Amino acid sequence: QSVLTQPPSASGTPGQRVTISCSGSSSNIGRNTVDWHQQLPGTAPKLVIYSNSQRPSGVPDRFSGSKSGTSASLAISGLQSEDEAEYYCAAWDDSLKGWVFGGGTKLTVL
Amino acid sequence: QVQLQQSGPGLVKPSQTLSLTCAISGDSVSSKSAAWDWIRQSPSRGLEWLGRTYYRSKWYNEYAVSVKSRITINPDTSKNLFSLQLNSVTPEDAAVYYCVKSVGYFDVWGRGTLVTVSS
Repeated sequence: QSVLTQPPSASGTPGQRVTISCSGSSSNIGRNTVDWHQQLPGTAPKLVIYSNSQRPSGVPDRFSGSKSGTSASLAISGLQSEDEAEYYCAAWDDSLKGWVFGGGTKLTVL
Repeated sequence: QVQLQQSGPGLVKPSQTLSLTCAISGDSVSSKSAAWDWIRQSPSRGLEWLGRTYYRSKWYNEYAVSVKSRITINPDTSKNLFSLQLNSVTPEDAAVYYCVKSVGYFDVWGRGTLVTVSS
């Protein structure tokens, strides 16, 4: 049971816009920033959004993030086949004094 | 460009100690702006942060509550690496273990080491 809650799956067709949600609490998302990681099959996770909405260099501007209260969202516009991956949200939890993750959302490009 | 090279055995016997190292290139384990973390991933537990070490004029360690009694993360400044030791392992500790550089977020990930716990 992950501390942050994500839907287990999401899907879209090429060119569509999809969003993935991440729900937490006042001790994590409510007080701290949220990051998003993309994990392709058989590889390590890779940072795609940090500090709620910042994109690391090299990440396409099709990826965007937002946060409101104790929830956050990752949006991917102009969906491409290479976006098919597992996506995880992460945040620091002040009560647990450690990092917590979502259970992951498997994105399928139909 | 920072790279993290993991090494260590992929098979550990129950009740023994899991030991992994992570060699850093392109940065310093003594950096005052980074922390050096260990994270594991298993089908049953998902992604789980285990702990970190970092230097801010002195060395600090922080560990997850779930493993606090069994874990040690140490820097080695002479070799520019950091290590993970997890004592008294059980099959529940079987996972892919990642070393990670963090700068307020998990910035650079190692490739991962699959650790099996079996006699």
